Amino acid sequence: DQQVKQNSPSLSVQEGRISILNCDYTNSMFDYFLWYKKYPAEGPTFLISISSIKDKNEDGRFTVFLNKSAKHLSLHIVPSQPGDSAVYFCAASANLGGGADGLTFGKGTHLIIQP
Amino acid sequence: DSGVTQTPKHLITATGQRVTLRCSPRSGDLSVYWYQQSLDQGLQFLIQYYNGEERAKGNILERFSAQQFPDLHSELNLSSLELGDSALYFCASSVSGTTNYGYTFGSGTRLTVV
Repeated sequence: DQQVKQNSPSLSVQEGRISILNCDYTNSMFDYFLWYKKYPAEGPTFLISISSIKDKNEDGRFTVFLNKSAKHLSLHIVPSQPGDSAVYFCAASANLGGGADGLTFGKGTHLIIQP
Repeated sequence: DSGVTQTPKHLITATGQRVTLRCSPRSGDLSVYWYQQSLDQGLQFLIQYYNGEERAKGNILERFSAQQFPDLHSELNLSSLELGDSALYFCASSVSGTTNYGYTFGSGTRLTVV
């Protein structure tokens, strides 16, 4: 049972346009959501996060939106640049208490920025 | 360089064998996490250690075990290996036990079981 779903395995966007990556979750206990970016032969790199008490968080070209009622979040990248071509993972965290923590990841979306 | 060091980068071994993967966390980070990424799966959380103690367990098989040593480096031991254990194994570290600000991942160990 996949608790974090990224339904688009790949997405192609023209350079300069907006990239929108989507993520759905099923577990109501998730209270923190994160996006990671991964290049080939490297580990994932943290991009941006959002607490479940917020509906938007912005950091430069990256904005994450959270719709709790729909259990949906999205990552907007604007404007998209060639260096943004990578696999993007959505992840969620449920506070297990006592400092225990483990992220639940989606399967990723491969973003391709076309020149 | 993320500051999290994983060795070896590549490992090829036969079914039934046992291997040890090693992780040195970023300087100052007390928490270490292990993840498995198989071909058709996303990253699967295996286990977390914080300052030498096991803190959380995910989908870790009984054939797998881990520990964190006093110098904070961690080892993931995989035994009685099966073909399905072939995957990328990532280690990540963070200062505390919280993921709210993201972890720092290493570049992974690619394990191939033949």
